Amino acid sequence: QKEVEQDPGPLSVPEGAIVSLNCTYSNSAFQYFMWYRQYSRKGPELLMYTYSSGNKEDGRFTAQVDKSSKYISLFIRDSQPSDSATYLCAMNTVTRDKLVFGAGTILRVKS
Amino acid sequence: DTEVTQTPKHLVMGMTNKKSLKCEQHMGHRAMYWYKQKAKKPPELMFVYSYEKLSINESVPSRFSPECPNSSLLNLHLHALQPEDSALYLCASSQGLAGEQFFGPGTRLTVL
Repeated sequence: QKEVEQDPGPLSVPEGAIVSLNCTYSNSAFQYFMWYRQYSRKGPELLMYTYSSGNKEDGRFTAQVDKSSKYISLFIRDSQPSDSATYLCAMNTVTRDKLVFGAGTILRVKS
Repeated sequence: DTEVTQTPKHLVMGMTNKKSLKCEQHMGHRAMYWYKQKAKKPPELMFVYSYEKLSINESVPSRFSPECPNSSLLNLHLHALQPEDSALYLCASSQGLAGEQFFGPGTRLTVL
């Protein structure tokens, strides 16, 4: 079993839709949770960073962490064609010096 | 400024060539990383430097040789690569060894 599971998609939605991207994990020691957006042939861009549980909002993006269920989510409101990219979840423990990535979900927003 | 820069953007090399990839950050971060990314896969960790010292080598072949000349710079020296080494090479940095990492734009390497 992988430490982090993420559906690779692709996920296709119409412009303006609310997008929900998710990852599940098995290691209860994970404390740092990140979402990256990666456009084709570019480096990953850090979108959201959360420590431990709770919600965090930044513009159209909301990150949620549910440690009891070992489940994290990224919501994108009013999705735009420019949001079309691969979204990677990543997480880490307090002591481990390497990120564990999900497989990445390909998102396509159609105008 | 949350920028990590990488040069060159693209590199084509033969199997007998020697080349270097460069990475720079001016965020005062103390940890720097090299990743390799193949198409449709997440980044795969190669090396970690903490306070300019190599702390992790993920069993990377010796044809890849990292170097950290100072706290802002990271190099990856390449020699006698194989075509299967063609990939996007990413540099990242972070304040400490845990927590958020900031990635550079990557160097797209093609080995002929």
